Amino acid sequence: EIVLTQSPGTLSLSPGETATLSCRASQSVSSSNLAWYQQKFGQAPRLLIYGASSRATGLPDRFSGSGFGTDFTLTITRLEPEDFAVYFCQHYDGSPLTFGGGTKVEIK
Amino acid sequence: QVQLQESGPGLVKPSETLSLTCTVSGASITTYYWNWIRQAPGKGLEWIGFIYHSGSALYSPSLKSRVSMSVDTSKNQFSLKVSYVTAADTAVYYCARWGEVHGVKAFDIWGQGTMVTVSS
Repeated sequence: EIVLTQSPGTLSLSPGETATLSCRASQSVSSSNLAWYQQKFGQAPRLLIYGASSRATGLPDRFSGSGFGTDFTLTITRLEPEDFAVYFCQHYDGSPLTFGGGTKVEIK
Repeated sequence: QVQLQESGPGLVKPSETLSLTCTVSGASITTYYWNWIRQAPGKGLEWIGFIYHSGSALYSPSLKSRVSMSVDTSKNQFSLKVSYVTAADTAVYYCARWGEVHGVKAFDIWGQGTMVTVSS
């Protein structure tokens, strides 16, 4: 089973700043098989990025994904109030599909 | 617009079977892989498994012995059963679509989730 470790656990930032979220895999993951989701309190997760760097339909270009192998990054520039949420990475490189533990981006 | 809606009992007794159904609207269930994912209170996301319209399914190894999924194409629904539940199965259960058919290798559509509590 591939374990995804996200860091930091919590990121305290102000609106307008840039958030850099890390997702590290316990073994190499194909870039086409890494996704990022955003979850707000009491809501279902929402797909942001798939294939490590492809934005979901309608996602602002403030969100970008990058990385390969075992290290992946989600970057959110010019943080808007609606961006403060929890973010999960997820792989699909065989079963079981697993998610990272999440990074909470909170208002400083 | 594709929508998924979970339904089922919100309270299940220990050792009994949890049963949930996901109704798909706006898309045919005969396309895509359909998944169940759960999230224990205050915890992360756990993939349970997926089912295809043919009935073929893949379950997470950690739950495989207690999980079964089925699909009803006439109703555009798919279902989840988890047997011998314990308090550890208390979670919000989501159904979700795997979008690989149109090139999106991710869970691109999610239901709103339904809370299931295991308690006597």
